[in-house]
This record gives sequence, C-alpha cells and structure tokens, in this order.
Amino acid sequence: QVQLVQSGAEVKKPGASVKVSCKASGYTFTNFYLHWVRQAPGQGLEWMGLINPSDSTTNYAQNFQGRVTMTRDTSTSTVYMELSSLRSDDTAVYYCSRGGEMSTDTPFDFWGQGILVTVSS
Amino acid sequence: DIQMTQSPSSLSASVGDRVTITCRTSQNIVRYLNWYQQKPGKAPQLLISFASSLQSGVPSRFGGSGSGTDFTLTISSLQPEDFSTYYCQQSFSTPFTFGPGTKVDIK
Repeated sequence: QVQLVQSGAEVKKPGASVKVSCKASGYTFTNFYLHWVRQAPGQGLEWMGLINPSDSTTNYAQNFQGRVTMTRDTSTSTVYMELSSLRSDDTAVYYCSRGGEMSTDTPFDFWGQGILVTVSS
Repeated sequence: DIQMTQSPSSLSASVGDRVTITCRTSQNIVRYLNWYQQKPGKAPQLLISFASSLQSGVPSRFGGSGSGTDFTLTISSLQPEDFSTYYCQQSFSTPFTFGPGTKVDIK
C-alpha cells in the first residue's frame, strides 16, 4: 500500500534552517510527483512546491522562492524539503503528498502524517 | 495566481441534513478542481477529483459538480463522521491554491 512517512517534529530558532524528509513506499517512486503543503496553526493549506523524483526538477511557489529547496534520493525513495531563514510565521505542520503519475495537473491522493516545525527563540 | 473562495466559511448542521459547499475560482479552471476533507490533527484526505470523480472508498453520499469557475460539494445525508473541514483546491496551474476551508460542525 502507498505510504508516505515523514520525519519527526523540529524546533528551530529564527534565522535557522530546517530539513525534513518524506519516505515513500508502495509504488514506483520516480513515476509520481511529490508536493509539499504546509498548514499554520488554525489556518488553511498552503502549497509550497513540487519535485519530480524522476529528474529532480522542481517548481516552487513564489512565496517561498529563494528560501525553499526540494531534493530527492532515489536510492531510498525519499524526498527532502529544506526551508531557510526561518521566521516565527513558518511555524506550521508540513505535509508531503503524492501528486500525479507523470503529470502535475492531478490531485494529491496520498499524504504523509505531517511534521510540526516550531520556530521560536 | 488563481484565487479560491469558499462559502460558507462554516456551517452547523444535523445528522441527516443535506449540505452544500461552494467553491469559486478567479479564472476558468475547466474541471481541475479537487475536494479534501480534513479532521483535526490529521492530514487532508482526497474526496473528489476533477470536479466530480469520487475517490475509491469515499461514500456515495459525497458528490461534486461544476466547471469553469463555480463548483459544488454536496453531502446528501450528513453522517457523524462527516463533521470536518472541507477544502477545495485547483490543479489547473501552479501555484496549486487551496480554498480557505469550510468547517462543518454539529448543530
């Protein structure tokens, strides 16, 4: 069965960086786009960007350009999301989710359990 | 960017009620509209894709309709497990924006 298992909670100071992971299993890793979506406490869902695990091409939301980097490791079927220059308003639950097979215009059908990243001095 | 609105932002309903949630987009997205359900402390779950395609395992009381800029999620007979927050999302173009959500709670 398809699973996306994310790394554990993080606490960071303002200005630091955080790198979180999402390990995929149960399907062909390189065939499906992976997306990152975050949710601040009590707020809605915000799309951060996507990565194509096949060739590691990325597409980032403008709000995160210059601060976010998404990478993948095909040997472990894992994608990573690093967010730098953290601010208090980056405190949120970060989800990875699976997108389409060889296409981006498809819904997110499986989600990781989420990672709480807390930014506090 | 494509802007998303949802109405209402919240509603109170009883078990057995018919519930309708509307999603509107700032430009024509054809039928690239998806609906998710999210329960507190949990990841969102895909209910409906491409405006009206019910995901496997989702109860048939959920239905979606619409095209262009106006879309609707309908729950034909609300069940206790349906009290959640519902989000629409467009997958027409990046950034893949979400609506602000509709919270459905118990009257």
